[in-house]
Amino acid sequence: GAVVSQHPSRVICKSGTSVKIECRSLDFQATTMFWYRQFPKQSLMLMATSNEGSKATYEQGVEKDKFLINHASLTLSTLTVTSAHPEDSSFYICSARVPSQGFTEAFFGQGTRLTVV
Amino acid sequence: AQSVTQLDSHVSVSEGTPVLLRCNYSSSYSPSLFWYVQHPNKGLQLLLKYTSAATLVKGINGFEAEFKKSETSFHLTKPSAHMSDAAEYFCVVSPLWGYQKVTFGTGTKLQVIP
Repeated sequence: GAVVSQHPSRVICKSGTSVKIECRSLDFQATTMFWYRQFPKQSLMLMATSNEGSKATYEQGVEKDKFLINHASLTLSTLTVTSAHPEDSSFYICSARVPSQGFTEAFFGQGTRLTVV
Repeated sequence: AQSVTQLDSHVSVSEGTPVLLRCNYSSSYSPSLFWYVQHPNKGLQLLLKYTSAATLVKGINGFEAEFKKSETSFHLTKPSAHMSDAAEYFCVVSPLWGYQKVTFGTGTKLQVIP
């Protein structure tokens, strides 16, 4: 299947700093990518939809200025957590959908565990 | 619109006994359905998927699920639980075609007792 590569897998940062997470489609082009967040012991919730060459679409309650999404090419979307605080500590995962044998299949990156200290 | 409900937040079974994790879905479109497993502090691993072909889907590690349209269900089963099956399981629904988001259930934590 298609491969979505996400880096870093783990990151620890100090409160007030910014962290960038990369999501790459290695063997396909993705005009749309999705960013999810998982708080401890909870499910994955969609944060935003990343669209190549245009602005991202954010879900209700997600701060656009805090979670900056850039989708400058068909193979790379980035999520930047700006001025991170401990409450931003979470598991972030990206996803893309790929045409596959008559349907579109979802593939996920490995995820990034962010800890803000 | 689409949604998925995992009926049990926590399931506990003895090693060697059957596993049943329940999932009901709702979708305005023809759905594709997935089960993912997440071990502690790990990413998501795809167990199996339904994409409008056979209604009984076999996945990895002995898991299988049956798509029942009349009941809007996609329950996950395994004949005999192993200690390594202890993890969080997510049922996921998405439209069969197109590039819309997928929707996750709230998860079921499976505990396997030795």
